[in-house]
Amino acid sequence: GQQLNQSPQSMFIQEGEDVSMNCTSSSIFNTWLWYKQDPGEGPVLLIALYKAGELTSNGRLTAQFGITRKDSFLNISASIPSDVGIYFCAGDGATNKLIFGTGTLLAVQP
Amino acid sequence: GAGVSQSPSNKVTEKGKDVELRCDPISGHTALYWYRQSLGQGLEFLIYFQGNSAPDKSGLPSDRFSAERTGGSVSTLTIQRTQQEDSAVYLCASTLGLHSYEQYFGPGTRLTVT
Repeated sequence: GQQLNQSPQSMFIQEGEDVSMNCTSSSIFNTWLWYKQDPGEGPVLLIALYKAGELTSNGRLTAQFGITRKDSFLNISASIPSDVGIYFCAGDGATNKLIFGTGTLLAVQP
Repeated sequence: GAGVSQSPSNKVTEKGKDVELRCDPISGHTALYWYRQSLGQGLEFLIYFQGNSAPDKSGLPSDRFSAERTGGSVSTLTIQRTQQEDSAVYLCASTLGLHSYEQYFGPGTRLTVT
């Protein structure tokens, strides 16, 4: 099925560093969402974006809906150990289904 | 409860046996989704319900997979004659309605087929 290309696949950083990850699609999406998944848990919604060019923040997290509607970016500033987890992007092309990216594993070393 | 709940949290079964996985969505959420997540992979859409009906079953991997929802609330995903490749985490999510894309996930059921 359709998948989003998410990069990087993994990141190993020091506490305090900023993080950037992105998702790209071959098709246009009307909605972009970013989720975080901790081990043994379901994904938790971080940010939802509904408009091309939209820039939305949630604490130290900032996400943008790309102008082309085919990409989205998530930035985490001043990372802390509890930021560790797998981050997924997801897009909805008005099909009532979310298409999920392959995930970015984030490891933060204190 | 306040969130989506799933049971069991873990299930180990022998190849060829049937299993039932349960999802209790957030109260008032009319849309319910099932996903499968294999080790180290993203989420694979299986099926969704709006109320008790399932307009889209296109993600079900085979006819061994089926799902139902009763009373617009609890949903059950059934896998018949389980195979080893069915081993995965099965996640359930719910939303307020079809046009709300903010899905809220349960903790998942980890299925292991031996």
